[in-house]
Amino acid sequence: DTEVTQTPKHLVMGMTNKKSLKCEQHMGHRAMYWYKQKAKKPPELMFVYSYEKLSINESVPSRFSPECPNSSLLNLHLHALQPEDSALYLCASSPHPLDRGLETQYFGPGTRLLVL
Amino acid sequence: GNSVTQMEGPVTLSEEAFLTINCTYTATGYPSLFWYVQYPGEGLQLLLKATKADDKGSNKGFEATYRKETTSFHLEKGSVQVSDSAVYFCALFGANAGGTSYGKLTFGQGTILTVHP
Repeated sequence: DTEVTQTPKHLVMGMTNKKSLKCEQHMGHRAMYWYKQKAKKPPELMFVYSYEKLSINESVPSRFSPECPNSSLLNLHLHALQPEDSALYLCASSPHPLDRGLETQYFGPGTRLLVL
Repeated sequence: GNSVTQMEGPVTLSEEAFLTINCTYTATGYPSLFWYVQYPGEGLQLLLKATKADDKGSNKGFEATYRKETTSFHLEKGSVQVSDSAVYFCALFGANAGGTSYGKLTFGQGTILTVHP
């Protein structure tokens, strides 16, 4: 089973709202990722968590705040977003962040976010 | 840093035609290579992968061979179906310590494939 689940599927929020995206995997993977994908573009890496610690932050604005409460869960807290933040937000996980053969990333279905 | 270049699309084919989507890469060391597929309105699905030179990844009739001498990982399928219509992303994973690509998946720009009946 290589399933990564994400909730909600769709989210509409105003620029003053606070919301959270949730990602879950039960494959025992020790690395989890957040990506942002605009229409007709490849995913852009935002954050990497390795063994529940933030290991990569791709200079993402502070209005995006990741959290990894345990090895199965990854959240993305959203606050004071801008309309240009509207996109598909993808979560992924891999067995290990670096080891060859264990670095394959498995993606969830994404949350489609619209900021008004 | 690492980079991936895919052939520009969109690619439009008739059902049962032969498919090739070219992918070349630039990387230090020996990256792992992947093809992901994204169907309309969905997330990315791993299609196939190869972790060392001359490895061939295959799945659902798709194949790609890791060619280090030409730094390529072209995707092929002998007979496409309408259900193969999707966006295809070539990607590499850079795992050499140092540099800006360490521990990251680098994607190509994606190739839109449309298959007509």
